[in-house]
Amino acid sequence: GAVVSQHPSWVICKSGTSVKIECRSLDFQATTMFWYRQFPKQSLMLMATSNEGSKATYEQGVEKDKFLINHASLTLSTLTVTSAHPEDSSFYICSANDRDRHSYNEQFFGPGTRLTVL
Amino acid sequence: GNSVTQMEGPVTLSEEAFLTINCTYTATGYPSLFWYVQYPGEGLQLLLKATKADDKGSNKGFEATYRKETTSFHLEKGSVQVSDSAVYFCALQTGANNLFFGTGTRLTVIP
Repeated sequence: GAVVSQHPSWVICKSGTSVKIECRSLDFQATTMFWYRQFPKQSLMLMATSNEGSKATYEQGVEKDKFLINHASLTLSTLTVTSAHPEDSSFYICSANDRDRHSYNEQFFGPGTRLTVL
Repeated sequence: GNSVTQMEGPVTLSEEAFLTINCTYTATGYPSLFWYVQYPGEGLQLLLKATKADDKGSNKGFEATYRKETTSFHLEKGSVQVSDSAVYFCALQTGANNLFFGTGTRLTVIP
């Protein structure tokens, strides 16, 4: 149980286009979903936290107008990278809390999406 | 602030060798500590955790002890297997949700 999927697993796009990444909790309802970004040989950095039905909370330094997050249901959150540029190329990972597991807010992670902007 | 420092890889070991991956942290308050593992092509999975000082987390033969005096949470396994080849992330959690990760250490175990 507690499986999180991401789609697509990789995407290549042209500079200036927008890209949407989906994060789904397959077998549980996720109260909260998280979006991380990972540069090569670096840590996962939290970008934003989203709760179903409300606006996402962005970390300092993350442009909310560039990284649009929508958490429309308890099983789906989307991250849209708008007007992508080469510096947005990275590995994007989502995670989700299972609201039925109250122990310590364990996060379940998706496999990640590699974005390459040409 | 909160941060995690773990040993850089890659680490290559022969099967049945002893594994140590060092992890130290800086945190405000009293964090919970975690080790996550990422197998090829998969998402991060929780390997083990410890929520307070002197706690020992263990799973699948891996162990780590929460050492407040040295602010460390080193991962150990007495005898690694080829199937342990993966990337290992040390992390700390403060408050309700925020996770802070180390840079990850790639382990390759050769037969």
